[in-house]
Amino acid sequence: KQEVTQIPAALSVPEGENLVLNCSFTDSAIYNLQWFRQDPGKGLTSLLLIQSSQREQTSGRLNASLDKSSGRSTLYIAASQPGDSATYLCAATAILNQAGTALIFGKGTTLSVSS
Amino acid sequence: DAGITQSPRYKITETGRQVTLMCHQTWSHSYMFWYRQDLGHGLRLIYYSAAADITDKGEVPDGYVVSRSKTENFPLTLESATRSQTSVYFCASSESLGTANTGELFFGEGSRLTVL
Repeated sequence: KQEVTQIPAALSVPEGENLVLNCSFTDSAIYNLQWFRQDPGKGLTSLLLIQSSQREQTSGRLNASLDKSSGRSTLYIAASQPGDSATYLCAATAILNQAGTALIFGKGTTLSVSS
Repeated sequence: DAGITQSPRYKITETGRQVTLMCHQTWSHSYMFWYRQDLGHGLRLIYYSAAADITDKGEVPDGYVVSRSKTENFPLTLESATRSQTSVYFCASSESLGTANTGELFFGEGSRLTVL
């Protein structure tokens, strides 16, 4: 059974810092891993998608890495800004009933960037 | 407008009543999903569908029913609402999942349900 864990649960940093959010998953037989952002009271926005054959993906100040063998992914945010304040969720694919597939989510890391 | 839309966005109901949450996507994505989000539990999968007329249970399916007669719609019904079903419900869709070239998961804005 796929389980996804995110550490830390909350993080506060001053503006300009580089930071790393961690995600671990128990079943390494994943098809992909996605990072999402969620603002309070809003839906989820996809940030980065890493296919199982890839090691990392980059979008602007965001870089996500994937190490399937160790069951880990990290989201690196460079030069953090107050607008980055949100909850960041990691999700890994899981094989469900009779080969159905879905994303299983971690509980998220709530980031607060102060100016 | 293109995208994935949920309705209603907010709903208050009473214990024992039937409630249906609607989800509509305009991309013709094959896969659709229903999640619920609760403090302390994060997002949990309720039901998913790989195509029209193909649905299956997720992590927390008890008390919920789904159908998918058309590719673009995936309604979620609470047949007899309970207070424990108070939650924020998110619908999502994906072009493909579970293959070598899996697609992104796109979410609706959520439906906030309160059961009194």
